[in-house]
Amino acid sequence: AQSVSQHNHHVILSEAASLELGCNYSYGGTVNLFWYVQYPGQHLQLLLKYFSGDPLVKGIKGFEAEFIKSKFSFNLRKPSVQWSDTAEYFCAVQIKAAGNKLTFGGGTRVLVKP
Amino acid sequence: DGGITQSPKYLFRKEGQNVTLSCEQNLNHDAMYWYRQDPGQGLRLIYYSQIVNDFQKGDIAEGYSVSREKKESFPLTVTSAQKNPTAFYLCASSRVASQRETQYFGPGTRLLVL
Repeated sequence: AQSVSQHNHHVILSEAASLELGCNYSYGGTVNLFWYVQYPGQHLQLLLKYFSGDPLVKGIKGFEAEFIKSKFSFNLRKPSVQWSDTAEYFCAVQIKAAGNKLTFGGGTRVLVKP
Repeated sequence: DGGITQSPKYLFRKEGQNVTLSCEQNLNHDAMYWYRQDPGQGLRLIYYSQIVNDFQKGDIAEGYSVSREKKESFPLTVTSAQKNPTAFYLCASSRVASQRETQYFGPGTRLLVL
């Protein structure tokens, strides 16, 4: 069965620092990739998604992610974080052969210190 | 105001009791999903429904049951057979259950079994 790994469980950084969250998946075929974010007390919401085409995807709030097929990775980045980026971030993979279900990583809690 | 509602926000039950979590959507989506969120494990799929009167087991269906009698409603019953029911439960929906469809999430219900 496919799996999704997010290597960092907790990240603490200061405002204006750069953020990169790792996401790796285990499946050799075609995938759709997503990053979701859960701000404190709010619904889980979509940050960005990759289906095909340009492997560098831009999402909301200044986030971007790069799909590197050879590395089975879809890392999330933001050049300069703000206190409001404090949240839990989830990577997810969708595979047609698995009934188009989403498989989520374990999540990374990000704390941005003001 | 379109969206997904889950009630209640917090739910307390005694061990051995069945409990039903509500999920309603007014997005006119065909597909609905139930996930369980545990710290460090991300979201795991319990059940999903692609259309009214049809549903399939997800990755961790044991101890749970669902029904889909109406398009807008997808209640989840946590039975006494579920060995570790205390968790945060998230309901989601998508326009259809196919590739490239974004899933939208509700606010969640936190279940505590004493």
